[in-house]
Amino acid sequence: SQKIEQNSEALNIQEGKTATLTCNYTNYSPAYLQWYRQDPGRGPVFLLLIRENEKEKRKERLKVTFDTTLKQSLFHITASQPADSATYLCALDLYSGNTPLVFGKGTRLSVIA
Amino acid sequence: DTAVSQTPKYLVTQMGNDKSIKCEQNLGHDTMYWYKQDSKKFLKIMFSYNNKELIINETVPNRFSPKSPDKAHLNLHINSLELGDSAVYFCASSQDRGSNQPQHFGDGTRLSIL
Repeated sequence: SQKIEQNSEALNIQEGKTATLTCNYTNYSPAYLQWYRQDPGRGPVFLLLIRENEKEKRKERLKVTFDTTLKQSLFHITASQPADSATYLCALDLYSGNTPLVFGKGTRLSVIA
Repeated sequence: DTAVSQTPKYLVTQMGNDKSIKCEQNLGHDTMYWYKQDSKKFLKIMFSYNNKELIINETVPNRFSPKSPDKAHLNLHINSLELGDSAVYFCASSQDRGSNQPQHFGDGTRLSIL
């Protein structure tokens, strides 16, 4: 069956360190993979999109990688701050084209001062 | 200047009632969505409209009926509410229907069935 797994339900790290979140998928061939941030009581907010032919994408302190051989995306936040504490969701399309996004369950990141 | 707005934010009602949730986007987007986020936090697509036309209709009970009067609005009507309908419902929009489009979400409607 098709599945998206995000490495852990919760991740605690010290302020200033790099947070690395993992998104693994099986039985999909996505053309695009997206990352979102969700704060308690709020809707998800789009962060980054990476295409299947892109290895890496950066935006300020954020970096996303996409390995279609490993069927994995890594999401990094460098120099993490307490304000980065939130749930991070990965989402991908089932296969290239106009297919709905399928979301992972999310990883709740806590950055401790 | 809220991009995607949903009303109401909270909805508490009895089993068996009929209720509606409204959504409006002021981004000029062509595509709108309804998602359900259950207690386990999975965010699942329910419906999608592109320029007022239904393009995605996932396995959702017939009691749920979306309506799009124009491309800036997508409402969700739910008949005969059941306990299992308790969840947070999110509306979202994107420029077009492509899966390469970022989606913009509202802040959700928290539906509680008594």
